[in-house]
Amino acid sequence: GAVVSQHPSWVICKSGTSVKIECRSLDFQATTMFWYRQFPKQSLMLMATSNEGSKATYEQGVEKDKFLINHASLTLSTLTVTSAHPEDSSFYICSARTSWDTEAFFGQGTRLTVV
Amino acid sequence: GQQLNQSPQSMFIQEGEDVSMNCTSSSIFNTWLWYKQDPGEGPVLLIALYKAGELTSNGRLTAQFGITRKDSFLNISASIPSDVGIYFCAGQKETSGSRLTFGEGTQLTVNP
Repeated sequence: GAVVSQHPSWVICKSGTSVKIECRSLDFQATTMFWYRQFPKQSLMLMATSNEGSKATYEQGVEKDKFLINHASLTLSTLTVTSAHPEDSSFYICSARTSWDTEAFFGQGTRLTVV
Repeated sequence: GQQLNQSPQSMFIQEGEDVSMNCTSSSIFNTWLWYKQDPGEGPVLLIALYKAGELTSNGRLTAQFGITRKDSFLNISASIPSDVGIYFCAGQKETSGSRLTFGEGTQLTVNP
């Protein structure tokens, strides 16, 4: 299957700072990328859907000004957690798919800890 | 909010045993997917089901797309220790690849 790479795998930041997470499709062009958040022992919850070259669509209850998503190219989407707080600590996972394939491939996830 | 009910929530089995888990929904999905997630990793697709009634196998794994399009099950035969992990079902409402809705997950523990 196709490879989706997330960076960093883990990050620790101070409360009030911003953190950027990258999601790259390594061997295919991703017209759509999805960002999920997963709390311990819980399922994946979709945060937003981003299409290349257009604004992301956020799920209900997700603050678009706090979770900035940029999908500037067909192989890269970024999620920036702005003014992070301890309650933002979570496992963030991206997935990517092409326009002609229904299957989305997941990255390995990023563990964010805000102290 | 979450629309898929996955059960059981956890299972503890002996190596060699078969295991079954299922997902149900109050609404229709056009695609059912089964994923496995290891600790600290992203989900990995195990089986994808695109047609109501479809029965698909992948090695020791077998999954079926319910005829009503509101449910799916996953069977694992002759379990081995590396089957340990969390299994998630996921549904898509459009075959063109819309957002996924995930079940709550089944934590599988296999005792050697």
